[in-house]
Amino acid sequence: SQELEQSPQSLIVQEGKNLTINCTSSKTLYGLYWYKQKYGEGLIFLMMLQKGGEEKSHEKITAKLDEKKQQSSLHITASQPSHAGIYLCGADKSNDYKLSFGAGTTVTVRA
Amino acid sequence: KAGVTQTPRYLIKTRGQQVTLSCSPISGHRSVSWYQQTPGQGLQFLFEYFSETQRNKGNFPGRFSGRQFSNSRSEMNVSTLELGDSALYLCASSRDGRGYTFGSGTRLTVV
Repeated sequence: SQELEQSPQSLIVQEGKNLTINCTSSKTLYGLYWYKQKYGEGLIFLMMLQKGGEEKSHEKITAKLDEKKQQSSLHITASQPSHAGIYLCGADKSNDYKLSFGAGTTVTVRA
Repeated sequence: KAGVTQTPRYLIKTRGQQVTLSCSPISGHRSVSWYQQTPGQGLQFLFEYFSETQRNKGNFPGRFSGRQFSNSRSEMNVSTLELGDSALYLCASSRDGRGYTFGSGTRLTVV
C-alpha cells in the first residue's frame, strides 16, 4: 500500500503546455523528494524540500512544500518530450532514514 | 563524480535459489538504502545501513538480508527465492541519510 497519495495517476499533455502533480501525506513530513523514472530504470533526483513554504526550481520544473509540510506540488512549465516519464514523490515521515513513496504519476507529452 | 553503481543489471534465478545483489555508493556517502519496486506494491523500503550498522528495516521476511562493508559498499541477499520476489531492486546512497541518489537498479526475474 502507498503511504503518500499522488495525483493524478497519469496525465497526457500537449507539448508546450504546463502540468502539475500533487503529493499529499496525512502526517507532517521531515523531507519531501521528487524523482523521475523512466520505465524499468533507476530514479533520477529532481528536488528535495524540507522547510514549510519552501519552493525550488530547476530549469522548467518547480516544486513547493506547503506551510504545514503535508503536501507538495511539482509544476512543469512548457512541457517537452524529455519531460515524459514517471514522477515519484518520496517522503521522510518519521526522521528514521526511510523513504515512503507515492504510486507515481505517468506523464506523456504529445507533440 | 561516479554515481551509485548496482551490479548486476539483470538476473534470472530459479525458485528456491538464493541471490546476492551489490551496490557501490557515491564516494564519501556512508548511508546505503535498499528498495524493492514492483507493479503491484510500488517502491517499498527494505533496509538502510550507515557505517556498517543497520539503522532501519522494512516489513520484509527474514529471507531478505543485507550488509555493509567498511568501504560503504553494500550487498543484499535473498534466500529461497519465490516468484513474488521478481522486482526491480534499487539502491540509494547519501552522506548521512538525507538527499538520496539512486542507482539504475537490478532487475531480478524468478522463474
